[in-house]
Amino acid sequence: AQSVTQPDIHITVSEGASLELRCNYSYGATPYLFWYVQSPGQGLQLLLKYFSGDTLVQGIKGFEAEFKRSQSSFNLRKPSVHWSDAAEYFCAVGPPDTGRRALTFGSGTRLQVQP
Amino acid sequence: DAMVIQNPRYQVTQFGKPVTLSCSQTLNHNVMYWYQQKSSQAPKLLFHYYDKDFNNEADTPDNFQSRRPNTSFCFLDIRSPGLGDAAMYLCATSAGDGANVLTFGAGSRLTVL
Repeated sequence: AQSVTQPDIHITVSEGASLELRCNYSYGATPYLFWYVQSPGQGLQLLLKYFSGDTLVQGIKGFEAEFKRSQSSFNLRKPSVHWSDAAEYFCAVGPPDTGRRALTFGSGTRLQVQP
Repeated sequence: DAMVIQNPRYQVTQFGKPVTLSCSQTLNHNVMYWYQQKSSQAPKLLFHYYDKDFNNEADTPDNFQSRRPNTSFCFLDIRSPGLGDAAMYLCATSAGDGANVLTFGAGSRLTVL
């Protein structure tokens, strides 16, 4: 069965500092990979996705993520964090080529940004 | 803008009193999902519809039901809410085209007294 692990429950960074959120997955093949962000009391917004091809993908709000097959990882990065990035971040995996199947989410990483 | 709308945003009910949450979409997506998200946890899939084809997750309690009368609307019915059902309920849609990109609504937060 597929699973997603986000080892960091809570991360605090200073505004302007760089950020890396970790995500590891377990899957029989290379899945589709996603990062979503959730602000308090809101739904989830897609930041970026990886399907195939270039292993470094760019997303919205200045985020990027790198797929590393050998490590089964899909870590999210941002070079300079803004106070508005404070939110909860979810990594998710989904089976490739079957759009009717739902995603499996990690347990999330809550990001706090210090002034 | 095309979007996913959930109503109500906040619902308070009493223990055992039935509740219905609604979700509508203007994306014309084939697939609609209901997720349950408890505080500080990952969203957990309850069920989804591919068109009219209903797919229930094995561990979704019988207390939870869903209806999809047409492409645009999907409802989550909780027949007898317990204290453990207090959560955020997220509706999501996808085109069902293989890309598996989900678009979420803002959620409905259920409180059970």
